[in-house]
Amino acid sequence: NAGVMQNPRHLVRRRGQEARLRCSPMKGHSHVYWYRQLPEEGLKFMVYLQKENIIDESGMPKERFSAEFPKEGPSILRIQQVVRGDSAAYFCATIEAGNEQFFGPGTRLTVL
Amino acid sequence: GQSLEQPSEVTAVEGAIVQINCTYQTSGFYGLSWYQQHDGGAPTFLSYNALDGLEETGRFSSFLSRSDSYGYLLLQELQMKDSASYFCAHGGYQKVTFGTGTKLQVIP
Repeated sequence: NAGVMQNPRHLVRRRGQEARLRCSPMKGHSHVYWYRQLPEEGLKFMVYLQKENIIDESGMPKERFSAEFPKEGPSILRIQQVVRGDSAAYFCATIEAGNEQFFGPGTRLTVL
Repeated sequence: GQSLEQPSEVTAVEGAIVQINCTYQTSGFYGLSWYQQHDGGAPTFLSYNALDGLEETGRFSSFLSRSDSYGYLLLQELQMKDSASYFCAHGGYQKVTFGTGTKLQVIP
């Protein structure tokens, strides 16, 4: 959905660097989901946040990955000390009433 | 745990009808959704079934049988633009689990 914005759309990092991915949900939407998609694979749930709260982070790797959704500003997915296996498309999505998730265009992360 | 299985690939002829199946194992049930994703694009919502039966939206229909833990997406009057990956998904406001995905190729 055009209302969900993600930036950057493409991000290149060298091994060991940090990656910061941003997601701005549609105005008035206070729920954010992050997913990872490896090439030719499905979407893997990572984390579900509401404003200032992590609701479910059961899909997040225990190390190097963190997410936040502050009171003001976008949701941030942060990957520290990136490795080649982190190369993937990262999508965020929002949901309002009902069961339809609205996805952003994604950030394609490439780790060299 | 939760898992949703789909055939990996399906090929169909333009103008035909194709059915994409989804079998699931979940702890609790919160409805079955379907999403379409073109190469390089974002997933877009197609349909949702909370109860057994058929839901129709234009050329697309989705069916659910909770007793069989099974659903399918039916695409009619296939068009070349329908070539994409299709995912079933389970969950709503809480954690959403996506199926393995089916790559549909529509041929002339």
